[in-house]
Amino acid sequence: GAGVSQSPSNKVTEKGKDVELRCDPISGHTALYWYRQSLGQGLEFLIYFQGNSAPDKSGLPSDRFSAERTGGSVSTLTIQRTQQEDSAVYLCASSPGPYNEQFFGPGTRLTVL
Amino acid sequence: DQQVKQNSPSLSVQEGRISILNCDYTNSMFDYFLWYKKYPAEGPTFLISISSIKDKNEDGRFTVFLNKSAKHLSLHIVPSQPGDSAVYFCAASARDTGNQFYFGTGTSLTVIP
Repeated sequence: GAGVSQSPSNKVTEKGKDVELRCDPISGHTALYWYRQSLGQGLEFLIYFQGNSAPDKSGLPSDRFSAERTGGSVSTLTIQRTQQEDSAVYLCASSPGPYNEQFFGPGTRLTVL
Repeated sequence: DQQVKQNSPSLSVQEGRISILNCDYTNSMFDYFLWYKKYPAEGPTFLISISSIKDKNEDGRFTVFLNKSAKHLSLHIVPSQPGDSAVYFCAASARDTGNQFYFGTGTSLTVIP
């Protein structure tokens, strides 16, 4: 079956604009993670969805960041009023459940001018 | 505060020799560790994992060693092949403290033919 897909692959936006990043997880995977990787940094955890449970939002860096997961499948990460420091690669991963290996998408490279 | 550290940003090894990638962590509650491999413009792919009840896990050319007292793990690749050239991330998680995975900053491995 298909792996995790993300869109767009690249996004260039102006400071202050809102952006939406999309993630299509592997069908049947109950867990979905968002990470970001800034230049020279490791993967920074942002948010975690598991089934119908309330998401773990503890990694979101500010209230400009939000994410939702509709119908337990597709997820959208929204960044409002983007800042230059938001420039990074945003990676989505899904897994069959917690404490399982995660399958990553190719990422969305966000550039805020 | 970086809970998982990979202090060597890069490593070069001759083809056929052993590659040793190191990872240190600070949280003694971590009980599950993973290594991921990442090629440019792709998401990380799972390589091998180890639970804290073990001190070694082997899968083909890849072996992960865990030293809990030193809070240190290492990935050995023997023999190294040019196709192993990639960025390697270690990650750690603690079952009792939520579902976050903490990633290191990565080590870029180059295997020289």
